[in-house]
Amino acid sequence: NFMLAQPHSVSESPGKTVTISCTRSSGSITTNYVQWYQQRPGSSPTTVIYEDNQRLPGVPDRFSGSIDSSSNSASLTISGLTTEDEADYYCQSYDSSSPHVIFGGGTKLTVL
Amino acid sequence: QVQLVESGGGVVQPGGSRRLSCVASGFTFTRHAMHWVRQAPGKGLEWVAVILHDGSKNYYADSAKGRFTISRDNSNRIYLQMNSLRVDDTAVYYCARESGISILGVVDHWGQGTTVTVFS
Repeated sequence: NFMLAQPHSVSESPGKTVTISCTRSSGSITTNYVQWYQQRPGSSPTTVIYEDNQRLPGVPDRFSGSIDSSSNSASLTISGLTTEDEADYYCQSYDSSSPHVIFGGGTKLTVL
Repeated sequence: QVQLVESGGGVVQPGGSRRLSCVASGFTFTRHAMHWVRQAPGKGLEWVAVILHDGSKNYYADSAKGRFTISRDNSNRIYLQMNSLRVDDTAVYYCARESGISILGVVDHWGQGTTVTVFS
């Protein structure tokens, strides 16, 4: 199975933009969809981005997802940061050869 | 709206068994594969198992293979039978919906979770 590497933590100020990366260790990042999940403290995860760059209804357009084949990575970008965006963010993809669902280790976003 | 409600968590001794349930509502159950995902205290998300929309196939993480069994029935429920439980199985267990029939790893909805504590 491949792995998905995320930074352990990121921080940014309110109103600013932050980007969280997710790098696939082997195989192409474009082979399988990438999803992003938000988990606020004490809550269950929610899906913010699915199929690389799609938002579920109700997810603000401040959240966007992208894929970069040159760096074999996916990114979650959050603009206009608010304190409500403070959460853990997980990227996730699928290893169809196993088949296994693969999660990144998670990134703690602090907005201060 | 889509709702996934887990139950069955509790305290169990090492080597014991537990069956988790998840009841789904707000969507056509038979059109979606379903997953179990867990989260140990203070740790990240770990995929456990998935079952196809019609129950014909299921797949497991290495940590679950041979000990856990995922199943589903016509009452809009999925189950996770957990045997030979270990201390490191202690976690919140989430039921999660795949976006469609096929397994593409696209989870679009999550339950609130049920906690399993393996403790002697």
